[in-house]
Amino acid sequence: DAGITQSPRHKVTETGTPVTLRCHQTENHRYMYWYRQDPGHGLRLIHYSYGVKDTDKGEVSDGYSVSRSKTEDFLLTLESATSSQTSVYFCAIRPGTAGYTFGSGTRLTVV
Amino acid sequence: GQQLNQSPQSMFIQEGEDVSMNCTSSSIFNTWLWYKQDPGEGPVLLIALYKAGELTSNGRLTAQFGITRKDSFLNISASIPSDVGIYFCAGPPYTGTASKLTFGTGTRLQVTL
Repeated sequence: DAGITQSPRHKVTETGTPVTLRCHQTENHRYMYWYRQDPGHGLRLIHYSYGVKDTDKGEVSDGYSVSRSKTEDFLLTLESATSSQTSVYFCAIRPGTAGYTFGSGTRLTVV
Repeated sequence: GQQLNQSPQSMFIQEGEDVSMNCTSSSIFNTWLWYKQDPGEGPVLLIALYKAGELTSNGRLTAQFGITRKDSFLNISASIPSDVGIYFCAGPPYTGTASKLTFGTGTRLQVTL
């Protein structure tokens, strides 16, 4: 087991409400990532973190913010959820040089 | 942003058949990774390639790092039902930081008995 968990696994929320997704790792890795997965687009990077309080934007960061106050936790916040943010969200860690380890995902539906 | 194109987008094959899929980029990559995603789960790393021309196997899976460094190929021999899933290629572009991966759009594989 890679030691990465996402919560919640499923969430339904209303348009305009704030939503926070949590990613927790037990392995003390420096890099953590948030991706979204949509049909026809594969996985697209939203934000990533290279250390506590160190974050940067990915290619689809509009409407999202992140925070990392502890090594083990990386939070993704949708400030005001929109229907276009309905997606499956994956968190990942980078254990070494050979790619990432992903969590099991959070399926978010904005109605 | 950087685009990785995978083909085919989806495929139905019969159990026992061999499968080939590929991934192409408009720019050079210095590492190619292949992931598989089972339904309801996150992607899992299958194979990593680090040098142009490299051929690497993992059981019935074989992947190659294209000589131009702009493409990669994945072959699955003698497919079985548990091969069902989505296969993604990924890599850090040559000009980008190794800490950020770009993913392809995926090839969905379905196996019939």
